[in-house]
Amino acid sequence: GAVVSQHPSWVICKSGTSVKIECRSLDFQATTMFWYRQFPKQSLMLMATSNEGSKATYEQGVEKDKFLINHASLTLSTLTVTSAHPEDSSFYICSARVNLAGVSNTGELFFGEGSRLTVL
Amino acid sequence: AQSVAQPEDQVNVAEGNPLTVKCTYSVSGNPYLFWYVQYPNRGLQFLLKYITGDNLVKGSYGFEAEFNKSQTSFHLKKPSALVSDSALYFCAVRHMDSNYQLIWGAGTKLIIKP
Repeated sequence: GAVVSQHPSWVICKSGTSVKIECRSLDFQATTMFWYRQFPKQSLMLMATSNEGSKATYEQGVEKDKFLINHASLTLSTLTVTSAHPEDSSFYICSARVNLAGVSNTGELFFGEGSRLTVL
Repeated sequence: AQSVAQPEDQVNVAEGNPLTVKCTYSVSGNPYLFWYVQYPNRGLQFLLKYITGDNLVKGSYGFEAEFNKSQTSFHLKKPSALVSDSALYFCAVRHMDSNYQLIWGAGTKLIIKP
């Protein structure tokens, strides 16, 4: 199946610093990627939809200036948590929709392994 | 409004017994339904999907799911549970928009006891 690589898996940073998380589609092109946040023992919360070559679409309540998303190529989307604070500590997961020419897309997503962010 | 419900926060099953993880949905039009599994501190793995055709869908790791249109359900099943099946399971339905967003259930923690 399609492989999505997410890096780093774990990151610990000081309050006030910025952290960048990368999401790469390794063997396919992904025009659309999704960024989720997951709190302990809770479901996925969609933060934003990342479209290659255009601005991300953020969900209601998600701060655009806080969570910067860039999707500069068909295989890479990045999430930057700016001026991180302890309340930003969470598990962040990206996913990508396979976009194959001539193939009907039924919508399943392929996920990265997630990034555990801890802000001290 | 479109939604997905997983009524059980946790399901406990003895190893070797059959397991069922429940999912019901509310969506306009024909649904595309999915099951994903998440192991601790990991991303989600795709298990199976229902798009059209046979109501019984077979997926990875011996799991299957039955689509029931009249009951708007898509329960996940496995005939004989393994301890390694212990994980968090998410049901999702495809949102009918151009970006193919998925609407997620709250997740069900499956615990298989030896």
